[in-house]
Amino acid sequence: ETGVTQSPTHLIKTRGQQVTLRCSSQSGHNTVSWYQQALGQGPQFIFQYYREEENGRGNFPPRFSGLQFPNYSSELNVNALELDDSALYLCASSRGTSGGAPGELFFGEGSRLTVL
Amino acid sequence: GDSVTQMEGPVTLSEEAFLTINCTYTATGYPSLFWYVQYPGEGLQLLLKATKADDKGSNKGFEATYRKETTSFHLEKGSVQVSDSAVYFCARGQSGGSYIPTFGRGTSLIVHP
Repeated sequence: ETGVTQSPTHLIKTRGQQVTLRCSSQSGHNTVSWYQQALGQGPQFIFQYYREEENGRGNFPPRFSGLQFPNYSSELNVNALELDDSALYLCASSRGTSGGAPGELFFGEGSRLTVL
Repeated sequence: GDSVTQMEGPVTLSEEAFLTINCTYTATGYPSLFWYVQYPGEGLQLLLKATKADDKGSNKGFEATYRKETTSFHLEKGSVQVSDSAVYFCARGQSGGSYIPTFGRGTSLIVHP
């Protein structure tokens, strides 16, 4: 148990729709990172939020957007869904610059998105 | 750019066999290095880490040594168990201390009784 919870665990959408995924970070963590993991692949970095501001972004189009709230929970929003967006979306929290080894992440179990 | 390369799987072993999963990285500077494990149907869990050259990370019988000269961080275990069957991901923090790790593609390990 990492203390990171994600919802929903599974969802099915159709092309063109929009989706919001949610993540509650571990207590004491102020940084949340989102990753996309396609089947059989490693996690690909989408973006990171540190103290409610975006702190880095991977190679994903603008239709992938996010938010971090004052309690450090976070949302990932994807607009205009495409078939290739089908994947496991992982949220990970960390202490950011306030402690812990750089890059040490605590992952949730993920939200599996299927786009039909 | 910075990247992580892992050996392709699946790696199939009998119980009590010796395990090595190779991982090499490219980077400027000295990033932290990690191994994460993903059991079926679960999210990733940190297995072990090393933050500087020659450090050895260890946990649950697994070990990996940070080799700056060969830019490697190979994962080893002397005697695997069926319960070690999972996907193993090598990861590195970005140079300059950025807290955004880059992951390899993962190596599936299957251990037979």
